[in-house]
Amino acid sequence: SQQGEEDPQALSIQEGENATMNCSYKTSINNLQWYRQNSGRGLVHLILIRSNEREKHSGRLRVTLDTSKKSSSLLITASRAADTASYFCATDVNTGNQFYFGTGTSLTVIP
Amino acid sequence: DAGVIQSPRHEVTEMGQEVTLRCKPISGHDYLFWYRQTMMRGLELLIYFNNNVPIDDSGMPEDRFSAKMPNASFSTLKIQPSEPRDSAVYFCASSAQGNSPLHFGNGTRLTVT
Repeated sequence: SQQGEEDPQALSIQEGENATMNCSYKTSINNLQWYRQNSGRGLVHLILIRSNEREKHSGRLRVTLDTSKKSSSLLITASRAADTASYFCATDVNTGNQFYFGTGTSLTVIP
Repeated sequence: DAGVIQSPRHEVTEMGQEVTLRCKPISGHDYLFWYRQTMMRGLELLIYFNNNVPIDDSGMPEDRFSAKMPNASFSTLKIQPSEPRDSAVYFCASSAQGNSPLHFGNGTRLTVT
């Protein structure tokens, strides 16, 4: 069964605006990852945040993690048309070797 | 680094036929995962291997599905017999260690008519 749920399911913004996606999960985790999927392609890893971290940055990406609320957010600043994709959070369970993916947020950045 | 390589990219077959999907993980990666993606169910973990050994196959939907990893550079996912509800995109992913980022192939789009 799926571990995470992303919100919103779909998001449409203008180029240059910021995009925020949220992920909620059900059980305790060791780490949480965010992935991007372009149409017709495999998922690409963006960023990993460990359970003892609260915030992490990578370029225009900012990820936060609130383990008390079992939630994470992904912020993409100054969005570009090339950011148009689906974004998924993935959490590990049990031994930490298995990753379960959420339902994804479909982001459209309008030039 | 060629990344994870999956073949074929597309497969169209008739109900009842056997289907074999192939995956070559990134060299040196100890973990290999098979996922299935559909609009209705999203990304489902089917099975994963560690050092060529199947660790958890609880996500394999039915006995019609089987997966093997005869060596560190090759894995197969077989469906026999195939059914229309098996239509989906099947992804293979590998990782260097447990709990580390997954590297995905571009998937095999399976259509069973």
